Amino acid sequence: SQQGEEDPQALSIQEGENATMNCSYKTSINNLQWYRQNSGRGLVHLILIRSNEREKHSGRLRVTLDTSKKSSSLLITASRAADTASYFCARGAGGGSQGNLIFGKGTKLSVKP
Amino acid sequence: NAGVTQTPKFRVLKTGQSMTLLCAQDMNHEYMYWYRQDPGMGLRLIHYSVGEGTTAKGEVPDGYNVSRLKKQNFLLGLESAAPSQTSVYFCASSYQPPGYEQYFGPGTRLTVT
Repeated sequence: SQQGEEDPQALSIQEGENATMNCSYKTSINNLQWYRQNSGRGLVHLILIRSNEREKHSGRLRVTLDTSKKSSSLLITASRAADTASYFCARGAGGGSQGNLIFGKGTKLSVKP
Repeated sequence: NAGVTQTPKFRVLKTGQSMTLLCAQDMNHEYMYWYRQDPGMGLRLIHYSVGEGTTAKGEVPDGYNVSRLKKQNFLLGLESAAPSQTSVYFCASSYQPPGYEQYFGPGTRLTVT
């Protein structure tokens, strides 16, 4: 399988705590993206980080990328119950059809009020 | 803008029956994709299209056919449904990769008995 691996598979925290999810991959990338999926819904894009970037922020989200270790992490700060969802990383390789995204299996986050 | 829409939302088929899933996007995206999502498997690419009149195989194309007669529509067909095709199907669209996010539809839940 070309899929990346997310870690952990499931995470349960209290509201207000930070949540960290990790993603590892095996081949070279052009970019790495994170998506959120609420139960029974389609995926929603959160953030994209390019291979020449090391860190990116968007609101309460912080994404890091370490291409030497072939890994990325997503940090959600001051979590809310509404952050309860599954989070997927997806790696994009080269251009054209090679740029098709390869999705990981996801981390299921539960934020308890 | 409606974004990406999928029809139908739910469907139950008997083994051997056929059906077509319709995906439509109003963002003028060149690329369109069909994925299936199974528990614990993440998203797997079935077929994709890089433009009107073109289609290509993804990771799991067997048992499915697709057509892209109009730029805004991407159809996924099951000619003879099998229980192994019970899944949630997602359509997505994007500008030409790499480096662009994918926009997802709400999904179609298909059960084959």
